[in-house]
Amino acid sequence: DTGVSQNPRHKITKRGQNVTFRCDPISEHNRLYWYRQTLGQGPEFLTYFQNEAQLEKSRLLSDRFSAERPKGSFSTLEIQRTEQGDSAMYLCASSRAQGASPYEQYFGPGTRLTVT
Amino acid sequence: RKEVEQDPGPFNVPEGATVAFNCTYSNSASQSFFWYRQDCRKEPKLLMSVYSSGNEDGRFTAQLNRASQYISLLIRDSKLSDSATYLCVVKGDSSYKLIFGSGTRLLVRP
Repeated sequence: DTGVSQNPRHKITKRGQNVTFRCDPISEHNRLYWYRQTLGQGPEFLTYFQNEAQLEKSRLLSDRFSAERPKGSFSTLEIQRTEQGDSAMYLCASSRAQGASPYEQYFGPGTRLTVT
Repeated sequence: RKEVEQDPGPFNVPEGATVAFNCTYSNSASQSFFWYRQDCRKEPKLLMSVYSSGNEDGRFTAQLNRASQYISLLIRDSKLSDSATYLCVVKGDSSYKLIFGSGTRLLVRP
């Protein structure tokens, strides 16, 4: 059983640079979510997709953030002009749309971003 | 006020002890509830969903009190491997997003 995968696992970038992260969900899951987690806090929702449609975005997702899921499979999260406050763990999760437990979300290992 | 509130702990207990965590949520229309476990610098992992009638999975028992808007997790016969942060999680009423508490840290000592 292949779980959610994320790449890269770690990213160090300088302030002002753009970064892009990738998430591959569990294969039969058609909902995909992005969260951000900082030290000592629980994950905070950023956005989610059902298939290729982006259905909800948090107000945390500023104009510098964009997410895509072009073919309804993997997703990318891009941060433009990174700021030090963007340093966090970026988590991707997926879930089934139907069947038993459609609301249970399964997380990938995350991408840890450090902006210097 | 946070939407999901938890005591941050840490709870420091000996092996074999029984420990209970509570959390409260603010949105009375919330529909689904979960406990996740998170090890240091790892991703959250689903521990169990919480059903209205309460549910048990081995040494773990979860309960939901909708009237008081709180959720509990009981761990019996604690193991060293239970040391982790336990996240209380609520699904919103009209959204698929999950709302996490800040977590309760558990340390089980030999």
